[in-house]
Amino acid sequence: DVKVTQSSRYLVKRTGEKVFLECVQDMDHENMFWYRQDPGLGLRLIYFSYDVKMKEKGDIPEGYSVSREKKERFSLILESASTNQTSMYLCASRKRTGSEQFFGPGTRLTVL
Amino acid sequence: GQQLNQSPQSMFIQEGEDVSMNCTSSSIFNTWLWYKQDPGEGPVLLIALYKAGELTSNGRLTAQFGITRKDSFLNISASIPSDVGIYFCARGQKLVFGQGTRLTINP
Repeated sequence: DVKVTQSSRYLVKRTGEKVFLECVQDMDHENMFWYRQDPGLGLRLIYFSYDVKMKEKGDIPEGYSVSREKKERFSLILESASTNQTSMYLCASRKRTGSEQFFGPGTRLTVL
Repeated sequence: GQQLNQSPQSMFIQEGEDVSMNCTSSSIFNTWLWYKQDPGEGPVLLIALYKAGELTSNGRLTAQFGITRKDSFLNISASIPSDVGIYFCARGQKLVFGQGTRLTINP
């Protein structure tokens, strides 16, 4: 059974804190993605990675960075969390030649 | 970034009713995908469409890839309580998503 796991389901942080969101997939997928989901806006792509150590900006990369040191792990970093980064964060992975993305359960982040 | 226009944004229906939702784009694409998100979970793929005019079914769900390659619709027949959730259309290799249709069903 394919699986994408995210390190936390719920997270509460303070403004200015550095936040790490971890995502791990066990399907040997080359591509990994980070989205944020907000009501009425759907899923918006923050960053994606085609392979280890490769990353590309998505539609809303400002205020975020990513790290892909190993194929199975893709980390999203908020260098200095702000209240407008309160959101649901979803990680996904996909085989290089495929179209279907497999999603993790999401991390609901609240920044106070 | 490019967006998809998905409608309606929400639907409140009675159990047993049929449901229809659609997505439009200003650009042409080769792939349309429909996902469903259950409460508290990540989206799961329902149907994938790869050719203009393609009509594909998955149980009570039917989706079509528009002839113009700029739109797609999803139909659910004879809705049941477990159909509740948010439905998203998505397109392209980098997967741009629609805003979602939240489906609520009254038993």
